[in-house]
This record gives sequence, C-alpha cells and structure tokens, in this order.
Amino acid sequence: EVQLVESGGGLVQPGGSLRLSCEASGFTFSSYAMSWVRQALGKGLEWVSAISGSGGSTYYADSVKGRFTISRDNSKNTLYLQMNSLRAEDTAVYYCAKDSVISTGGWFDPWGQGTLVTVSS
Amino acid sequence: DIVMTQSPDSLAVSLGERATINCKSSQSVLYSSNNKNYLAWYQQKPGQPPKLLIYWASTRESGVPDRFSGSGSGTDFTLTISSLQAEDVAVYYCQQYYTTPFTFGPGSKVGLK
Repeated sequence: EVQLVESGGGLVQPGGSLRLSCEASGFTFSSYAMSWVRQALGKGLEWVSAISGSGGSTYYADSVKGRFTISRDNSKNTLYLQMNSLRAEDTAVYYCAKDSVISTGGWFDPWGQGTLVTVSS
Repeated sequence: DIVMTQSPDSLAVSLGERATINCKSSQSVLYSSNNKNYLAWYQQKPGQPPKLLIYWASTRESGVPDRFSGSGSGTDFTLTISSLQAEDVAVYYCQQYYTTPFTFGPGSKVGLK
C-alpha cells in the first residue's frame, strides 16, 4: 500500500524557518516526481512545489520562489520542503503528493494526511 | 499561468439525482502530440486529504464508483455524479497538470437537498 506521512509542521514566528518531511512507502520512490500542495483553513488547494524523481528538476509557485526549497533523499524515501522567511499567508495544511510520472506533469495520487504550519507571533 | 474556474460554487442535490460540475481552463490543456487532456478531478471530504477521482479528463481511477464520470476537451470539462449518494457529499476540485504552475479550480461544494 502506498503511504505518505508528513511531519515537521508547527507554530513559527513570521520570518522564521521550518522544514517539512514526507516519508514514503509502498512504491519505488525514485521513480516518481513528488509535489507539495497547501490548503489554508477553509480555502482551496494551492500547488507549492514539485521535484522530479531524480531530484534534478525542481519547480515552484511564484508565491514561494526564493523562500522555499524542495528536495528529496531517495536513499531514505523522503521528500522535504525547507521553508524560510515565513509569512502569515503561508499558514496552511501542507500535503505531499505522489505524481503519476517521473518527470512531473501528472496527476497527484495519493496524498498524505497533511501537516499544519501556523505562522504567527 | 493557467487559471481554472469552476461552476457552480455549491449545489444541493437530492439522493439519487444527478450532480454536474463544470470546470474551465484559461487556455487549452489538450496536448496535441498525444491527444490527451491534462485535467484531473479530486474529491475532498472534511478533515481528509483530496482523493483522485478522474485523470486524463475522463479516465476513472481504479476503485472509484462508476457513477462518477468526466468529460470535455480543450478548455471545458465536466464532472458528473449520475446518482448522488450520501457519501458523495464533499468538495470537488479540477486541476490542470499541463504545465507548471499546476493549478486547481476553487472547488465546488456538493451537498444534500
């Protein structure tokens, strides 16, 4: 069974940093691109970032470019999102999602349960 | 960026009746080289992550009941629930995966009448 388990969320002050992790199991992790998608409370879904299966290609939403960094460790089956210079508007549940292809550009399935990031003083 | 819009924002449907949700993209998500529409539909119930229903605009994900169907091409798409069941109460999102940034529609909330 494919499983994605996020961790690392929490309360952080504006301007602070946080690193999210997503541990994957049940599939050949390096064969699939991965994405982070966030959802503010009561709001819709916003794609944040994607990374190819090898880790050689990364993509970002304009809203996080230059502040967030996506990476992966295929030896540990783990996806990361380093979030710096956090703002109140980054407050959301962050989901990791498995892409359907190795290079990005596929649908997302499955999604993890999400981890809540709250940016507040 | 490709902007995704959905209509209606919400709808109330009686059990056993049809629910129809429309999704429009600001530019075509049909890739001419393979004639595939890079459009997916997701269902999200309260407190749960989104669940994939449909990909390639009309291909039902394994295990998804056949009362769910997707149609459309280019810029206009539709998700139809042919006979609404109580467990279908949820928010439904369309998403284009044609190009980054991957974008979602704002969601359509389906409830019971």
